[in-house]
Amino acid sequence: DAGVIQSPRHEVTEMGQEVTLRCKPISGHDYLFWYRQTMMRGLELLIYFNNNVPIDDSGMPEDRFSAKMPNASFSTLKIQPSEPRDSAVYFCASTRSDRQIYGYTFGSGTRLTVV
Amino acid sequence: DQQVKQNSPSLSVQEGRISILNCDYTNSMFDYFLWYKKYPAEGPTFLISISSIKDKNEDGRFTVFLNKSAKHLSLHIVPSQPGDSAVYFCAAKQAGTALIFGKGTTLSVSS
Repeated sequence: DAGVIQSPRHEVTEMGQEVTLRCKPISGHDYLFWYRQTMMRGLELLIYFNNNVPIDDSGMPEDRFSAKMPNASFSTLKIQPSEPRDSAVYFCASTRSDRQIYGYTFGSGTRLTVV
Repeated sequence: DQQVKQNSPSLSVQEGRISILNCDYTNSMFDYFLWYKKYPAEGPTFLISISSIKDKNEDGRFTVFLNKSAKHLSLHIVPSQPGDSAVYFCAAKQAGTALIFGKGTTLSVSS
């Protein structure tokens, strides 16, 4: 089991550029979550999918953020255009519906810096 | 408005002593509570959980206590070890929703 795989690990971009973060969940997991960690807000939920369908995107900050899950093994989080306040660590996590009480498995995160 | 609150940003404890991390919540519909541990440059990892129908769950050195009337839970680590130094997140969920996390408490265990 390779765990949840996120890429890239670090991303530095200029304000106004498009940024795409990638996630490969654990095989067999039917839930996928995107979280963002900042000092001010801690770990906040952005969006989550069940069986590739977005269920709750109320945490997405604004229209500059979009997320897709074209298949069970891949998801992207896109920011266009990026702003300095988007600088944070973005985590992807996955779980199986029958094991949610045992928590989610998180990836190692993508540290995004927008300058 | 934060539904899960960890009011202590940091805690320092000596090796061998007890560490007590606290968490408060506002949503009485939460049915599961979890604690996660996070080391630098890694993702959070699941530590221990408790159902809302219980008031205590123990796993080795880690015990979680739930006080529903006070909407409060705590994580006890006994004895504390230097390897326990990390950020600890409290999380909660209700049926049909995703985990909601607190801001975290940084635990430092000195030898």
